[in-house]
Amino acid sequence: DQQVKQNSPSLSVQEGRISILNCDYTNSMFDYFLWYKKYPAEGPTFLISISSIKDKNEDGRFTVFLNKSAKHLSLHIVPSQPGDSAVYFCAASPLDFGNEKLTFGTGTRLTIIP
Amino acid sequence: GAGVSQSPRYKVAKRGQDVALRCDPISGHVSLFWYQQALGQGPEFLTYFQNEAQLDKSGLPSDRFFAERPEGSVSTLKIQRTQQEDSAVYLCASRDSGRAVETQYFGPGTRLLVL
Repeated sequence: DQQVKQNSPSLSVQEGRISILNCDYTNSMFDYFLWYKKYPAEGPTFLISISSIKDKNEDGRFTVFLNKSAKHLSLHIVPSQPGDSAVYFCAASPLDFGNEKLTFGTGTRLTIIP
Repeated sequence: GAGVSQSPRYKVAKRGQDVALRCDPISGHVSLFWYQQALGQGPEFLTYFQNEAQLDKSGLPSDRFFAERPEGSVSTLKIQRTQQEDSAVYLCASRDSGRAVETQYFGPGTRLLVL
């Protein structure tokens, strides 16, 4: 049972436009959500996170939105740049001590078209 | 500063062979995680250490998989009698404290191919 779902395996966006990546989750115990970016042959790199007490977190060009009632989060990148081309993973975790493992989605491959 | 390092970066094993994968976390990081990433999938949790204590090993797929972190720093993931389905990238991550709100930093992974 996939507890974190990224239903779009790939997305292509024109340079300068907004990229929107979506993620859905099923486990109501998740309290903390993260986005990781992955280039080929490298490990995932942390991008941005949000806790369940917030509905928005912004860091430069990256904004994450959380809709708890819909169990949905999204990552907005604006403006999109060629260096943003990568695979993006959504991840979630409970905040219980001793139970902090991350559950990942299957990823969305973002391609920025120059 | 130095990030998480893993060795070897690539490993080819014959079916039935034992392998050992090493993770050097960021110095001083308390928490250490192992994940398995199959082709086209997201990373899946294997096991978690806080210092030398293995607090969660619920993701280890079988008793052929064993992980240790004897001195609370370097960790080794051992796979005995490898099978073809063990082929994957094995990722190690470390975190500064025991709190979930701290970021997990990932190493580059070890790509294991079992023939």
